[in-house]
Amino acid sequence: NAGVTQTPKFRVLKTGQSMTLLCAQDMNHEYMYWYRQDPGMGLRLIHYSVGEGTTAKGEVPDGYNVSRLKKQNFLLGLESAAPSQTSVYFCASRRGVEQYFGPGTRLTVT
Amino acid sequence: TQLLEQSPQFLSIQEGENLTVYCNSSSVFSSLQWYRQEPGEGPVLLVTVVTGGEVKKLKRLTFQFGDARKDSSLHITAAQPGDTGLYLCAGEPNSWGKLQFGAGTQVVVTP
Repeated sequence: NAGVTQTPKFRVLKTGQSMTLLCAQDMNHEYMYWYRQDPGMGLRLIHYSVGEGTTAKGEVPDGYNVSRLKKQNFLLGLESAAPSQTSVYFCASRRGVEQYFGPGTRLTVT
Repeated sequence: TQLLEQSPQFLSIQEGENLTVYCNSSSVFSSLQWYRQEPGEGPVLLVTVVTGGEVKKLKRLTFQFGDARKDSSLHITAAQPGDTGLYLCAGEPNSWGKLQFGAGTQVVVTP
């Protein structure tokens, strides 16, 4: 039981490049979330999903897209990266009131 | 705008001392959670409080939910170096499953 895994762990992009972050969970959870964490800002919700095939916008969705084609996977895409998207990205899944977080992806956009 | 305000932002204490971290809001939450995050890792849930006035204890950690369900506190007794970490509070304003996080309190306990 791996819990929540994220790939990659680190990535450096140039402005304008695109990439996809992958989140996978093996706990059969319906709810999944993508957050970004910046110094002094806490965790801010980007997008979330309440089940396979459904997604919704969170607090800071601009510049990001998501897809949930399979229940166990939640993908976060950046179509044209900007320096403001430099951050640590966390994926989480939820059972009851508890959210289980992945180890994070540190993304730098130069 | 941060819905949940945590204070202090940073706390450095000696091993054996006590500390309290606060989480305040003008909004009412159906539940409130405390997480601890260590460097390079994701947050890990410590406790969930759901009833106004509720007090929960987890070994040396005591969590309290305000009567009006707008604020919470975390008290650590006889802190140890293993308590070092970023403590985050998170509130669920409704039953939609979305959490609002505070900015966190960085706690450093030195031997």
